[in-house]
Amino acid sequence: AQKVTQAQTEISVVEKEDVTLDCVYETRDTTYYLFWYKQPPSGELVFLIRRNSFDEQNEISGRYSWNFQKSTSSFNFTITASQVVDSAVYFCALTGGGADGLTFGKGTHLIIQP
Amino acid sequence: GAVVSQHPSWVICKSGTSVKIECRSLDFQATTMFWYRQFPKQSLMLMATSNEGSKATYEQGVEKDKFLINHASLTLSTLTVTSAHPEDSSFYICSARDLKGLALYEQYFGPGTRLTVT
Repeated sequence: AQKVTQAQTEISVVEKEDVTLDCVYETRDTTYYLFWYKQPPSGELVFLIRRNSFDEQNEISGRYSWNFQKSTSSFNFTITASQVVDSAVYFCALTGGGADGLTFGKGTHLIIQP
Repeated sequence: GAVVSQHPSWVICKSGTSVKIECRSLDFQATTMFWYRQFPKQSLMLMATSNEGSKATYEQGVEKDKFLINHASLTLSTLTVTSAHPEDSSFYICSARDLKGLALYEQYFGPGTRLTVT
């Protein structure tokens, strides 16, 4: 069975601070895919990134960066110089691909205070 | 590209009635569609997986007679909540995957349907 753990239920920081959201996963699949989604109050999921199990390169996209480490089964997400618009619930998710749905973590509610 | 729509975006129904939610892939053929449920302040939980032309596969604990799923075409899947009760009030989100394409891992999410049962 697959499992995704986001231990941080809620994080509150002041604008312009850096913040890291943790994600730890469990899977028996050798090939799998990890995702991060943002869910604003409207509810619609916003895709942020996908990583496959064979690609451990870290990725940076503007103020966002991701650190994938298979040795610790972690896929952490860092926002640099946070902004109020970053406030949302962030979900980490896992799938083996094919006909498998996504297994989501419980989400981290990020609050950026002005 | 890869747009998924849901209709309605929100619905209020009375206890005991049935409500149908549509999920459409607008610009690709969705060989597989997934239905998720999200209760307030909780995570998304996979309810069922449907493949075009075949019966849906339900996750453990999801009543297949209560949540009827039909995936009759490559662009449309419907979820019918039968005899809805207040505890069925939730945010229902569908996603679609094109297994004929190369992106076997991609899931494209719809905007969700908020169901309130009074």
